[in-house]
Amino acid sequence: DTGVSQDPRHKITKRGQNVTFRCDPISEHNRLYWYRQTLGQGPEFLTYFQNEAQLEKSRLLSDRFSAERPKGSFSTLEIQRTEQGDSAMYLCASRSAWNMGGYTEAFFGQGTRLTVV
Amino acid sequence: AQTVTQSQPEMSVQEAETVTLSCTYDTSESDYYLFWYKQPPSRQMILVIRQEAYKQQNATENRFSVNFQKAAKSFSLKISDSQLGDAAMYLCAYLDTGTASKLTFGTGTRLQVTL
Repeated sequence: DTGVSQDPRHKITKRGQNVTFRCDPISEHNRLYWYRQTLGQGPEFLTYFQNEAQLEKSRLLSDRFSAERPKGSFSTLEIQRTEQGDSAMYLCASRSAWNMGGYTEAFFGQGTRLTVV
Repeated sequence: AQTVTQSQPEMSVQEAETVTLSCTYDTSESDYYLFWYKQPPSRQMILVIRQEAYKQQNATENRFSVNFQKAAKSFSLKISDSQLGDAAMYLCAYLDTGTASKLTFGTGTRLQVTL
């Protein structure tokens, strides 16, 4: 297993354009998380999926953002009508659900750096 | 809502020396996990060490150890025998044990290791 992969690694877009990012989690992980990290800040939770169900969304996730995880495999995060404030690193993480042994480690991808000009 | 505070934006340590990174958090929960993540310039975060709140014993992983003070809500990371490869952003994180199990991160401490 090669870990969590994200594509693209970098994206530069003009304000007002739509962008879509992809995350491929570790194959046996049923939970997938999206976080956003701006310069000088720690990552902030955006949303998460258990299998194909999106179970929680942060209030940071405005109606311009939408995330999907069809068939409980890869996930996409789309931002419509991008704004300069959307410039950030978008991180994906995956993990298994809790088991009898307790918490299972979350593994992070390398992120997609978005620059809106 | 839980908050995590890292009051040291930058720290510097000489190779082979010891450095301590501080982290405080706020929660009303009694059951939770705390983590230190390392985020090198390539940005892929790596788990360094974790601590379960119900455990009194401080976690240790090779050169990395924590000082967990539950009553004070403090969770510091000690790096012994610092190496050049330890240079990175270190993020303290809190995990609630609720359904979402989402992480709440601090703002990070950038660690420089000098010769």
